[in-house]
Amino acid sequence: AQSVTQPDIHITVSEGASLELRCNYSYGATPYLFWYVQSPGQGLQLLLKYFSGDTLVQGIKGFEAEFKRSQSSFNLRKPSVHWSDAAEYFCAVGASDYGGSQGNLIFGKGTKLSVKP
Amino acid sequence: EPEVTQTPSHQVTQMGQEVILRCVPISNHLYFYWYRQILGQKVEFLVSFYNNEISEKSEIFDDQFSVERPDGSNFTLKIRSTKLEDSAMYFCASSEWGNLGHGYTFGSGTRLTVV
Repeated sequence: AQSVTQPDIHITVSEGASLELRCNYSYGATPYLFWYVQSPGQGLQLLLKYFSGDTLVQGIKGFEAEFKRSQSSFNLRKPSVHWSDAAEYFCAVGASDYGGSQGNLIFGKGTKLSVKP
Repeated sequence: EPEVTQTPSHQVTQMGQEVILRCVPISNHLYFYWYRQILGQKVEFLVSFYNNEISEKSEIFDDQFSVERPDGSNFTLKIRSTKLEDSAMYFCASSEWGNLGHGYTFGSGTRLTVV
């Protein structure tokens, strides 16, 4: 069965420091992979996605993620964190029963990011 | 930028009562979804809806749940007789083509508290 693991429940980084949020997935076929961010009181906003092509994906707000098939990982990175990045981050895999492009999202439990001044 | 709108943002209901959660998807989107997140747990898929019928549902989506698109703009989730374990954040999402390659647009959620 498809699954997503985000091993870090809560991470605290200093403003200006680099960030890496980990995500591992389990899925038989080539996955559709997403990172969403949820600020307090807000919905889930799509940061970036991957489904083919270059394994290093650029997203909004200066985030990037790298798909590593050998490690079943899709880690999210940002070179310099801003205080406004404090939020909860969700990794998700798009799961299609028949391997097609339509299906649903399976989410990880999320990683809460706190930013120290 | 187009948004998915959910109302109310927070609803408190007594156990056994019926609740209706409302969503206004993006106007040109054709696929609609409900997800939920119990506090401290994963965001979980409930149901997808296309062409006025359910296209897929999860094990969570039992007979107590129903969805409806009553007027061409709203998309509702009804819980017939709420249980304590239905307390969660419920997210509505919509997609233009239902294509995973494009992702979905989520609303800001309705926090349902069953007491």
